[in-house]
Order: sequence, then structure tokens, then C-alpha cells
Amino acid sequence: SQTIHQWPATLVQPVGSPLSLECTVEGTSNPNLYWYRQAAGRGLQLLFYSVGIGQISSEVPQNLSASRPQDRQFILSSKKLLLSDSGFYLCAWSRNRANEKLFFGSGTQLSVL
Amino acid sequence: DQQVKQNSPSLSVQEGRISILNCDYTNSMFDYFLWYKKYPAEGPTFLISISSIKDKNEDGRFTVFLNKSAKHLSLHIVPSQPGDSAVYFCAARSFRDDKIIFGKGTRLHILP
Repeated sequence: SQTIHQWPATLVQPVGSPLSLECTVEGTSNPNLYWYRQAAGRGLQLLFYSVGIGQISSEVPQNLSASRPQDRQFILSSKKLLLSDSGFYLCAWSRNRANEKLFFGSGTQLSVL
Repeated sequence: DQQVKQNSPSLSVQEGRISILNCDYTNSMFDYFLWYKKYPAEGPTFLISISSIKDKNEDGRFTVFLNKSAKHLSLHIVPSQPGDSAVYFCAARSFRDDKIIFGKGTRLHILP
């Protein structure tokens, strides 16, 4: 069966510090991978998605970036965090074909102070 | 520009009655629609979905209706139970680029 791992569960970082959140998927190959953020009053905002290694589509211009160094690994990064980067970050995957649902990780609560 | 809209931030329903959650979309590239349920500090869990070639899909207490001409879908929960209290997100998938866009969510309160 497929599983998705996302860590850490909580993170407190000072403004201006770097960020690296990692997500890995097991039990499938060539998945579509997604990063979402839930901030107050904004619902689930799509940040990045990837349909293959090295292929990243960015939805929201900001100081975050994403990389997919391996087929089942998706990394969210920032060189310098802003207060507005606080939120609940969720990684998700789906099979790479039509009409497939998303499976979410357990999320990372990021507080930038 | 919000492509998926859930205009009701919250909804309260008596236990045992029907809960109806609504969702509107604007992008005609969407061809697959999903509903998710979310508890605080957890990842969303999948509830039910519908393809654009259908107008209704049912799974136990959950039924999703799709009106393509109105670009509107709704989730019906019958009967509503206390464990249904959560935030419900509507989502839409584009056949063009595999993008999946979510609405802002509706918080459902089931009253005893």
C-alpha cells in the first residue's frame, strides 16, 4: 500500500532563517506531488506541483521554492523566512493519470516569529 | 482569482438532519471534482468525488451532485452525525495540467 511521510510535524523558526520541509511517498512510482498551505482565511492554497523529476510548477510567487530530486521526494525550501510564511503546510500525492484523488500527509505547522 | 468558491464559511445542522454544502467553480478546464474533510492539525481525508461526465455520485451517507451548466456542485450528508463536525473542502482538478485547486472550506457544526 502507498504511504506519504511528511516531517517535521511542528517547526518554530525566526524571521530570516532558512526552511526545508521534506515529503516522501512509498509504494508507488511516478506520482504527481503537491505542496499546499493552509493559512487563516485562505483555505488550502496550492503552492507547487510536480508531474515528474525536476518538473516544478509554481502557483504563487513568493520566497518559497520546491524541488523534486528523486521520483518520490518533494522538498519545500526558503532561503529567508517571512512572518507571512507561517501556516500549516501539507504535502500530497496522486497517481499520474486522469480522475485520481489526492492523498495528504499529516502536515507541518510552521510558526515564523 | 478564486477558481473554486465555497461561499458559506460555516454551517450548523441538527443531528439526524441533512447537511448540504455548496461549491461553485469558474474554470471550464475542470473535469473532476472532490470533497475532503479536515480536522484541525491533520491532513484532509478524501470523502467522495465525481467526474464531469456524471451528475450524481453516492457513497453511503454522502452524495455529490454536479450541475455543469451552472458550474455548481453540492455535497449532501444524510443523516448528519456528530462526527461529521469538521471543515469540508471542495476541490477541482484540471484535465489540462493536473492542477488541483481547493476552495476556502466550510466549517460544519452538527448540533445535538
